[in-house]
Amino acid sequence: DTGVSQDPRHKITKRGQNVTFRCDPISEHNRLYWYRQTLGQGPEFLTYFQNEAQLEKSRLLSDRFSAERPKGSFSTLEIQRTEQGDSAMYLCASSLGRGRQETQYFGPGTRLLVL
Amino acid sequence: AQTVTQSQPEMSVQEAETVTLSCTYDTSESDYYLFWYKQPPSRQMILVIRQEAYKQQNATENRFSVNFQKAAKSFSLKISDSQLGDAAMYFCAYRTMEYGNKLVFGAGTILRVKS
Repeated sequence: DTGVSQDPRHKITKRGQNVTFRCDPISEHNRLYWYRQTLGQGPEFLTYFQNEAQLEKSRLLSDRFSAERPKGSFSTLEIQRTEQGDSAMYLCASSLGRGRQETQYFGPGTRLLVL
Repeated sequence: AQTVTQSQPEMSVQEAETVTLSCTYDTSESDYYLFWYKQPPSRQMILVIRQEAYKQQNATENRFSVNFQKAAKSFSLKISDSQLGDAAMYFCAYRTMEYGNKLVFGAGTILRVKS
């Protein structure tokens, strides 16, 4: 069990460019979550997958954001036409959705800076 | 919508002493989970302790314990025998047991440990 991994760890881009982040969950975890964390704040929920199905999306997830989880394994989060307000840490978490005692395990995050 | 409030932006504790971090939340639900997560500087978030709302007994994990007051909607974390490695940002989080499994986080408390 190698834990949740995210790639890249850091990304600097210019306003208007597209960026894509990848998350590899803990193997056999069927649930995968994306959160966004701005400086000095707690993480905020963006979206959630159960296997390959995207079951919930936050209102924070504008039309410029899209997430996928093909085949229920890794997930990608794409931001199109980035804006300076998109600068944040993007966190991925995974869990084994089994019963009440579900625990989300977090990855190290991808820190995005939009210039 | 549920909200989580951490009223202490920053706390300090002397090594080997005890510190309590505060958390309050607002919900109309009766069935939910509460969590404390620790985020060390530049490292990923890890689960410290969790509490099920239906359990009256306060959760304990080694040096970490909670004081869960359901009627007051309060969920404080007590760290005993503080160690230098406890220095981190601590987040209180809420998870509904209804549809959706997202975590709702507070803004966090920075804990500094003095040697």
